Amino acid sequence: ETGVTQTPRHLVMGMTNKKSLKCEQHLGHNAMYWYKQSAKKPLELMFVYSLEERVENNSVPSRFSPECPNSSHLFLHLHTLQPEDSALYLCASSPEPGGYEKLFFGSGTQLSVL
Amino acid sequence: QKEVEQDPGPLSVPEGAIVSLNCTYSNSAFQYFMWYRQYSRKGPELLMYTYSSGNKEDGRFTAQVDKSSKYISLFIRDSQPSDSATYLCASYTGFQKLVFGTGTRLLVSP
Repeated sequence: ETGVTQTPRHLVMGMTNKKSLKCEQHLGHNAMYWYKQSAKKPLELMFVYSLEERVENNSVPSRFSPECPNSSHLFLHLHTLQPEDSALYLCASSPEPGGYEKLFFGSGTQLSVL
Repeated sequence: QKEVEQDPGPLSVPEGAIVSLNCTYSNSAFQYFMWYRQYSRKGPELLMYTYSSGNKEDGRFTAQVDKSSKYISLFIRDSQPSDSATYLCASYTGFQKLVFGTGTRLLVSP
């Protein structure tokens, strides 16, 4: 496996469910990111991790809970979501935080909240 | 006012045409400029990266930045159906987060 891998590719959940998105990077990078991509809106940065430590949290509601157990894995735990949370959730990595010239994205998880 | 603005398209061109994709930005402190290509059901992939003003060429792709007018362009020569995708421009100051445009959808017909 190479690059940034995200699972699942698609997820449908009810507003009372709890689910988790998983991301794994095989690039040896030290920084990992969660982005949200909604239709007709720019990518929104949600969280940034550097060497398993959260370095940025862009006013994301507490129903989104990130976890970074090591520099290769990143999770996004979801609970009591709202329909407006339906979007494509993208994981990305870079060699260092803010190293956007070498930012690599996964294929995303398409989330639908019913 | 959005920090980075793009026309959403779609922009439809015949195969072989020269394509011009454009963005404007409002933050004069932006120093780094990127173009990403995003195919349907895929994540964005970095196409071009430029620092400050000027041109950068890579194969059929040329990125151009005009800081005086806060205008970013991506030119695609000899466009191919495989170029059909959404193109995202993005900028940052070097110290803050990367700011994306909403993307322009390009359709290249055979």
